[in-house]
Amino acid sequence: DAEITQSPRHKITETGRQVTLACHQTWNHNNMFWYRQDLGHGLRLIHYSYGVQDTNKGEVSDGYSVSRSNTEDLPLTLESAASSQTSVYFCASSERGAGTGELFFGEGSRLTVL
Amino acid sequence: KNEVEQSPQNLTAQEGEFITINCSYSVGISALHWLQQHPGGGIVSLFMLSSGKKKHGRLIATINIQEKHSSLHITASHPRDSAVYICAVRSTSYSGGGADGLTFGKGTHLIIQP
Repeated sequence: DAEITQSPRHKITETGRQVTLACHQTWNHNNMFWYRQDLGHGLRLIHYSYGVQDTNKGEVSDGYSVSRSNTEDLPLTLESAASSQTSVYFCASSERGAGTGELFFGEGSRLTVL
Repeated sequence: KNEVEQSPQNLTAQEGEFITINCSYSVGISALHWLQQHPGGGIVSLFMLSSGKKKHGRLIATINIQEKHSSLHITASHPRDSAVYICAVRSTSYSGGGADGLTFGKGTHLIIQP
């Protein structure tokens, strides 16, 4: 069965360190997304990609970067982790972009920045 | 700015009860999503709809475009339905860039007691 997997599921790091969260999907979807989920907020879009070599900033992209070198993977990098980036991160993919297709989510990665 | 409001924020009910969760939004939309997030974090897409009603098992989603309102109903509720239910909408005024078109509600936390 096709799936979308995230790793690590839990990560504790220190302020200033670089962190990369992996996302791998076997749906063969062109559209991939990274969201963060915090108490008191709905899911918020960090970055998204509509295909290989395509990346776009979401509403909360400061301090984050992504790269898309193949269809399956969209790693999310925190260049210099800050305590404000403590959150749960979700990767998702969709056959269609711009909110018009069903979203498939990973299990989430809980990041704590001390 | 598109606002998505869900009600109630929290709901506790007894097994077997009929459950209704509401989602209201402030702009014209082309699609509305209902998502389910179980304890432990995984998010699953339940429905995507743009008009009328959809049914899957004991779950029913309805939307009234004119009133800018959608409801998610659960019939014969069961403890395994305990989860956070999230509404997300795609605005028709979405013009690309920054958000991939989806605005998420903060979720309704449902607990079904045996």
